[in-house]
Amino acid sequence: AQSVTQLDSQVPVFEEAPVELRCNYSSSVSVYLFWYVQYPNQGLQLLLKYLSGSTLVKGINGFEAEFNKSQTSFHLRKPSVHISDTAEYFCAVGDYGGSQGNLIFGKGTKLSVKP
Amino acid sequence: DAGITQSPRHKVTETGTPVTLRCHQTENHRYMYWYRQDPGHGLRLIHYSYGVKDTDKGEVSDGYSVSRSKTEDFLLTLESATSSQTSVYFCAISGTVTGANVLTFGAGSRLTVL
Repeated sequence: AQSVTQLDSQVPVFEEAPVELRCNYSSSVSVYLFWYVQYPNQGLQLLLKYLSGSTLVKGINGFEAEFNKSQTSFHLRKPSVHISDTAEYFCAVGDYGGSQGNLIFGKGTKLSVKP
Repeated sequence: DAGITQSPRHKVTETGTPVTLRCHQTENHRYMYWYRQDPGHGLRLIHYSYGVKDTDKGEVSDGYSVSRSKTEDFLLTLESATSSQTSVYFCAISGTVTGANVLTFGAGSRLTVL
């Protein structure tokens, strides 16, 4: 069975500092991964996705993530955050060949950007 | 929210009453999902549908039923609401790309059961 662990429930950072939100997964088969962002009182918005190919993927708003198969990780990074990046971020994993109900979400990381 | 409408957006009800949440899509996607979001639990799948009249259970399906009589509508019903079902409910649709399940979410429905 698959699982996703977001190692930090809350990450406070100062504006213009770099940030890394960590995500580890477990799966015995070929996977695809997502990061979603949820701004206050809104739905989830796709930030970026890894389906196959290049392990470094770029998303919206200057975020990027690197798929590391040997470490089963998919950490999200941004070199310089803005106040507007304050939101909750969710990592999700699915496996190719699984059912359409197979996408598993982590419990979320709340990013708080302080001036 | 990319052609997904959830209704109602907010509802307060009492324990034991039936509740139906509606998800309507204009994207003609085959797959539709209902998730609930609770603090400390992230998103958990309740039920999903892979076509008209075709549904399957998710991780937390107890106490919920679903129906899909048209491609565009996916209904979530709580037959007898309980306080543990107080949550934010999200509908999602899937535009499957090369076998990957890429979800697009609605804006959410906040349900409070007193």
